[in-house]
Amino acid sequence: QKEVEQNSGPLSVPEGAIASLNCTYSDRGSQSFFWYRQYSGKSPELIMSIYSNGDKEDGRFTAQLNKASQYVSLLIRDSQPSDSATYLCAVALSGGYQKVTFGTGTKLQVIP
Amino acid sequence: EAGVAQSPRYKIIEKRQSVAFWCNPISGHATLYWYQQILGQGPKLLIQFQNNGVVDDSQLPKDRFSAERLKGVDSTLKIQPAKLEDSAVYLCASSRPPGLLGTGELFFGEGSRLTVL
Repeated sequence: QKEVEQNSGPLSVPEGAIASLNCTYSDRGSQSFFWYRQYSGKSPELIMSIYSNGDKEDGRFTAQLNKASQYVSLLIRDSQPSDSATYLCAVALSGGYQKVTFGTGTKLQVIP
Repeated sequence: EAGVAQSPRYKIIEKRQSVAFWCNPISGHATLYWYQQILGQGPKLLIQFQNNGVVDDSQLPKDRFSAERLKGVDSTLKIQPAKLEDSAVYLCASSRPPGLLGTGELFFGEGSRLTVL
């Protein structure tokens, strides 16, 4: 079982629609959860972090966390062509240091 | 605030040759990570430093890869001898010290793209 699992996609949505990206993780000791966006040929950049159950909203982005189900999701409202990228889910264990493990990423295509 | 600096950006070598990558993290970031990202895959952690000590190198192929972080700041990742399967982007990232808000939020450099022929 992979530590962090994502559907590789591609996920295609029309411009203006809601894109829903999902991630599951295996270690129940995980405490911190992140979404990174990676454009083709570029490095990952952090777009959302979430640490407690529930929703966290930042502009058009909403991260959702359900620790009981070991599930994290990212919603992108009013999707734009500029949102087309690979979205990486990352998970960190608590403890003396933060080992951050990434999923394989979901490629999102927003169709104009 | 200056970002994470990496060099070289690109490197092409023959198999069995050696290569070294350099990283300078964001000032004040105690934790430094080296990730390997093969095309189409997510980043894979190779080694993690806390100041100048190694806290995780469980996925580092120690027969060919080595890394050090001198004085808890700059870091160098070396591959010797390189294999074809080492072709990847090597990403350096840093984060705030443990216990501070935002620990675990990684800031990445631009990466070093290695091609092994």
